Formats: sequence, C-alpha cells, structure tokens
Amino acid sequence: ETGVTQTPRHLVMGMTNKKSLKCEQHLGHNAMYWYKQSAKKPLELMFVYNFKEQTENNSVPSRFSPECPNSSHLFLHLHTLQPEDSALYLCASSVGQGANEQYFGPGTRLTVT
Amino acid sequence: AQSVAQPEDQVNVAEGNPLTVKCTYSVSGNPYLFWYVQYPNRGLQFLLKYITGDNLVKGSYGFEAEFNKSQTSFHLKKPSALVSDSALYFCAVRHIMNYGGSQGNLIFGKGTKLSVKP
Repeated sequence: ETGVTQTPRHLVMGMTNKKSLKCEQHLGHNAMYWYKQSAKKPLELMFVYNFKEQTENNSVPSRFSPECPNSSHLFLHLHTLQPEDSALYLCASSVGQGANEQYFGPGTRLTVT
Repeated sequence: AQSVAQPEDQVNVAEGNPLTVKCTYSVSGNPYLFWYVQYPNRGLQFLLKYITGDNLVKGSYGFEAEFNKSQTSFHLKKPSALVSDSALYFCAVRHIMNYGGSQGNLIFGKGTKLSVKP
C-alpha cells in the first residue's frame, strides 16, 4: 500500500542461523533506512543509505550487516543473533532527507530463539 | 541533543469527542516535525508535517497539529474521533541548523496508544 514491501513478514531463527531481510521500494526514492522497533521503546534508527551509499550506522552490532545494491533494494543480513534482537524490523524510504517524509514497509517480525 | 517526548502512554476518547495526542520536542536548531500512525501489524504511515509557515498544519484522515515554538510543542488533534482512529501515534523531529543547513536524523517519540470507544 505504501509502495515499500518487506519480506519475509515473519521470521523465526536460532542464534546460530544466518538469514536476510529484504526491502524493496517502488517510489523512485533515493534514501532508504532500517529501523528496529521493540516493545515499549522508541524506534531505533539502524542504518541510512543515500544513493546506495551508507551515510549512517547508528552503532549497530556487526551481527547486523546491511546491503544496498541499488536505490530500490535494501537488505539486512543477520547472523549469530541474540534473543534481545527479537523485534519488528522496519524499512523506510524517502526522497532525500530533510523535510521529506519517510514511507514505511509493513515490517518483518523477527523472533530469535 | 535532540529529543521528542510523548508524555502519555495511552489516550482514551469516546467516539465523536475531540482528541489530542501530546508531543514536545527539544532541538538545538529549527525543527522539522512529523506525525505518523501505526495500525496493528503494519508499518508507520505519514499523517502530517510542519516545516515552516502556518503553525496549524492539516493532514490525512481529518487530523491536524499546531506548532507552538514558545512551548516547543506539536500536539496532534482531531475534532471528532472515530473508532477506526484507534492506533499507535508517533511524533518525530529532525533539527535543521538554519533552514537548508546541516540536519540530523529523524528522532521518534516512544508512541502514544489512542483508544477510541464507541
């Protein structure tokens, strides 16, 4: 509905697994973002990409590895996660930053067992 | 450091009554202010924003918000609440050093759950 899709919508993984989250935007935007949403906490910005270049890494542990092959696609590669990494991971995009609003995908609900 | 405060975890309103969801902010420069709504099992959806100009901004679904610089507030309002307005509402701020200058990332409040009862 918003022009930003995320797959999978739900993911359960063990602490030794490797998985990837995918985000795709069909809006022609040039900036893309990964956020983490945990219960009772504000949204946490994880990574920002502008024209495929990473412009922000908000002190995210190395077990999260982003990839932005082009302005329409964004991945989040996951490995050796911890149970506290269980959360809703949201992808967003915008026309640049500044005054422009962000459009969010529906999120991937991640559970680490 | 910039920050956003949403002092109420939950707001309860009867259908047809006016609603207000509060937001205050703290930034070192001029603010860009945003409201987003999140329905269950969905991502955030943009409602409205204040950039400059008229302090009263109107957005989607009949919502509006008033920028008050002296009180550093940007409260979300609607004259007549609907049951379908029940959702989680997020205020967000980005600081701008002299419009068009350097800017920080978007900072979100922790959210306010709005419950509208019939």
